[in-house]
Amino acid sequence: GESVGLHLPTLSVQEGDNSIINCAYSNSASDYFIWYKQESGKGPQFIIDIRSNMDKRQGQRVTVLLNKTVKHLSLQIAATQPGDSAVYFCAENLGMGNAGNMLTFGGGTRLMVKP
Amino acid sequence: DTAVSQTPKYLVTQMGNDKSIKCEQNLGHDTMYWYKQDSKKFLKIMFSYNNKELIINETVPNRFSPKSPDKAHLNLHINSLELGDSAVYFCASSQGSGQYFGPGTRLTVT
Repeated sequence: GESVGLHLPTLSVQEGDNSIINCAYSNSASDYFIWYKQESGKGPQFIIDIRSNMDKRQGQRVTVLLNKTVKHLSLQIAATQPGDSAVYFCAENLGMGNAGNMLTFGGGTRLMVKP
Repeated sequence: DTAVSQTPKYLVTQMGNDKSIKCEQNLGHDTMYWYKQDSKKFLKIMFSYNNKELIINETVPNRFSPKSPDKAHLNLHINSLELGDSAVYFCASSQGSGQYFGPGTRLTVT
């Protein structure tokens, strides 16, 4: 079994409640941000993205907010479901022109949904 | 229809051995990547590669080398494996901004 992620920040919510996961990014030059969901034993899965010329973007049950002033990103999940239980990562891209288009990931937050 | 696939899923080997992990993407993407995820779930880019250039994260030891036989494949070869190489390795691909990840290969070095 997995013994990983024991030091991850954890957010525990009741099923049906809204969840807010926060992320502080490092580089003020980053112009593209992505939220990923990683379930146990699987690779990161794209959830939603936002470019730096926006401050809010909505998807299905998810909303990403970007505050460039304080370099803060948040992911809001509406009506959280047990299937939302996973580790969530934010990632920043220094720019489409950056060498290799590499992403820098945050440390991750574990979301636990209680039935 | 697996978009990004990796083999093997699990790899257990002894220190000093040389091993390879294979990655294939059927998305037609131009760029592929390798990431390492440690025991604390921290994801770190190792390489970015397309048919024009290889970008190497300067912190990656030169025991690690990506090899791309064609645009759809990017394999990771590791020489002289060390205990600290134990981790989950993820392949990813992109065409533009968003990156799509494979299921990961859990490498355990004993």
